[in-house]
Amino acid sequence: GNSVTQMEGPVTLSEEAFLTINCTYTATGYPSLFWYVQYPGEGLQLLLKATKADDKGSNKGFEATYRKETTSFHLEKGSVQVSDSAVYFCALSDRTGTASKLTFGTGTRLQVTL
Amino acid sequence: ETGVTQSPTHLIKTRGQQVTLRCSSQSGHNTVSWYQQALGQGPQFIFQYYREEENGRGNFPPRFSGLQFPNYSSELNVNALELDDSALYLCASSSEQGPTGGELFFGEGSRLTVL
Repeated sequence: GNSVTQMEGPVTLSEEAFLTINCTYTATGYPSLFWYVQYPGEGLQLLLKATKADDKGSNKGFEATYRKETTSFHLEKGSVQVSDSAVYFCALSDRTGTASKLTFGTGTRLQVTL
Repeated sequence: ETGVTQSPTHLIKTRGQQVTLRCSSQSGHNTVSWYQQALGQGPQFIFQYYREEENGRGNFPPRFSGLQFPNYSSELNVNALELDDSALYLCASSSEQGPTGGELFFGEGSRLTVL
C-alpha cells in the first residue's frame, strides 16, 4: 500500500539556521502531498500542500516541491525561529472505499534553540 | 467560526472496558474522519463518516465503531479495550469527502490511557 517515510528526529537547530526535513513516498497514481505541523498542546494544522508534480507549496517561510521523479516532498525553511519548534508530519492523500484520507509519516520533531 | 472540538481531552480506562469519544465538526463541514496517533507515531486512519454513513475504513477491528449525527457531529466507540488502544484519538472535519483539494481541520484530540 501507499506509505510515507520521513527522516528521524529530533532535529536540533540554532535560530536562523537552514532547515530541511526529508520526506519520500510510495504510492500508486498521483496523490496530493501535505505537510502538517503539531505545536505542543495543539492539534494538527495544515502547513502547506501540493496537488501535482512540480507544484511548490509554501506558507510561513516553509516550502516543499512535489518531485515525482524522486518521489519526494522535502520541507525547507531558510531561517528557522524558536517558534517553529514542533513536530512536522509529511502525508499523502489516499483512498479507502469512497473515502479520501491521509497517510502520514511518523513525524519529525524540530527543536530550535537561541 | 468554531473549530473542531473533542471531548473528553483525557481519560483513563481499564482493559476490557468501553469508551466513547465525541467530536463536533467545524461549522459547515459535513465529513468527519477519525485517526489514532500512538506515542511517537503518525496518525493512522480509523474511518470516515459522510452524511451519517461510514464511507471508508482503515485497518482497525470491528470493536472500533462510530456514528455521525444529523448536525455532523460524531462519536467514536471502542469496545473491549486493549492496552494497545492507548493513544491520542484525533477527529478531523472537512467540507468534502477527504483531503484531496480540500483541507482537513483537526481537533486537539482525546488522549486515552488503558491500564
